[in-house]
Amino acid sequence: AQSVTQPDIHITVSEGASLELRCNYSYGATPYLFWYVQSPGQGLQLLLKYFSGDTLVQGIKGFEAEFKRSQSSFNLRKPSVHWSDAAEYFCAVGRGGSQGNLIFGKGTKLSVKP
Amino acid sequence: EAGVAQSPRYKIIEKRQSVAFWCNPISGHATLYWYQQILGQGPKLLIQFQNNGVVDDSQLPKDRFSAERLKGVDSTLKIQPAKLEDSAVYLCASSSLGATNEKLFFGSGTQLSVL
Repeated sequence: AQSVTQPDIHITVSEGASLELRCNYSYGATPYLFWYVQSPGQGLQLLLKYFSGDTLVQGIKGFEAEFKRSQSSFNLRKPSVHWSDAAEYFCAVGRGGSQGNLIFGKGTKLSVKP
Repeated sequence: EAGVAQSPRYKIIEKRQSVAFWCNPISGHATLYWYQQILGQGPKLLIQFQNNGVVDDSQLPKDRFSAERLKGVDSTLKIQPAKLEDSAVYLCASSSLGATNEKLFFGSGTQLSVL
């Protein structure tokens, strides 16, 4: 069955520290992979997506993610976290090559210490 | 560019009552999605429309949930009768299928509390 696993429910990092959020997926074919961010009271916003090609993708707000087929992973990284990055982050896989018919993970809540 | 509009923002009802949510997608977006996000979980797709036709409703509890998209623009999602476990945020999203750089836009959601 297709699924997305985000092993970390809650992560706390200090401002200026690096960040890595983990995501593992289960999907039969080459997946379309996404990272979304959800801030309180706001809608989901796309950070970045991977379809094919270069396995390291750059997104908005200084985020990047690396697709590793051998590990079925698509981890999100940021070299230096800002207080405004505190939010909930969701990894998702697109069904049937869709960009909108998505299977989401349960999310990782990021807290940032001053 | 106006975003995806949803109303109401909040709704509180008692179990067994009916409720309806409304979504107005971004102008020109052919594809519309309804997602359910239960507290502490990621969004789960309920139904996908392409214009006014249903593409995927495999996860829609059809005994109590219904959705329509008349004229291929606005959409309504209805729950009748509501259960306690329907308490969630209902998110509407739209995208322009076929565009070179397709992107999914989410609304702010309707938060439903069933008492």
